[in-house]
Amino acid sequence: QQQVKQSPQSLIVQKGGISIINCAYENTAFDYFPWYQQFPGKGPALLIAIRPDVSEKKEGRFTISFNKSAKQFSLHIMDSQPGDSATYFCAASMKEGGSEKLVFGKGTKLTVNP
Amino acid sequence: EPEVTQTPSHQVTQMGQEVILRCVPISNHLYFYWYRQILGQKVEFLVSFYNNEISEKSEIFDDQFSVERPDGSNFTLKIRSTKLEDSAMYFCASSEVRVIWEKLFFGSGTQLSVL
Repeated sequence: QQQVKQSPQSLIVQKGGISIINCAYENTAFDYFPWYQQFPGKGPALLIAIRPDVSEKKEGRFTISFNKSAKQFSLHIMDSQPGDSATYFCAASMKEGGSEKLVFGKGTKLTVNP
Repeated sequence: EPEVTQTPSHQVTQMGQEVILRCVPISNHLYFYWYRQILGQKVEFLVSFYNNEISEKSEIFDDQFSVERPDGSNFTLKIRSTKLEDSAMYFCASSEVRVIWEKLFFGSGTQLSVL
């Protein structure tokens, strides 16, 4: 119930294309859904995040789409660039037992070919 | 830009040996975390630390693990007797405030290989 399932495991996109990474969760207690971007040799860094009271959030070329009824959320990268090549993690957080828990997906390795 | 620094970037050890993974959090941060990622698996929470004591720990963080802030700047994770299954990337993270995920900064990780 605390799992966040992420797909695909890897993704190859041509420059200028749209990259789409999907995540699904079971526990409706999750109330915050961040996406992290990790470049090789670096730690994960927060990219964009959404709360379940909105269905979409856009920051530049990055958009989160959130479907509360389906318990799914996705990251869309428009006009993908080679510099976007990285591993992307979705995550979800919830309050449990007086503390907050952040649960990650397994990650998607995105390669954008020039 | 301030960053969380982890050393070493790669540690190789023999099974049963003790290892210490080191982290230097961002200087004004008060909350510290360790996460790990086994190859091909999700990033998992290990432990959080505040005010010189453990705030929370996961079921992974058993008696073989300990954390310490020995000198006010370093934050260490010790594994007393490493097992093969401890092989993973270990991430340190720090935050100025508690549980504001937007303010959580990760280090670049230590890849631990237990042989």
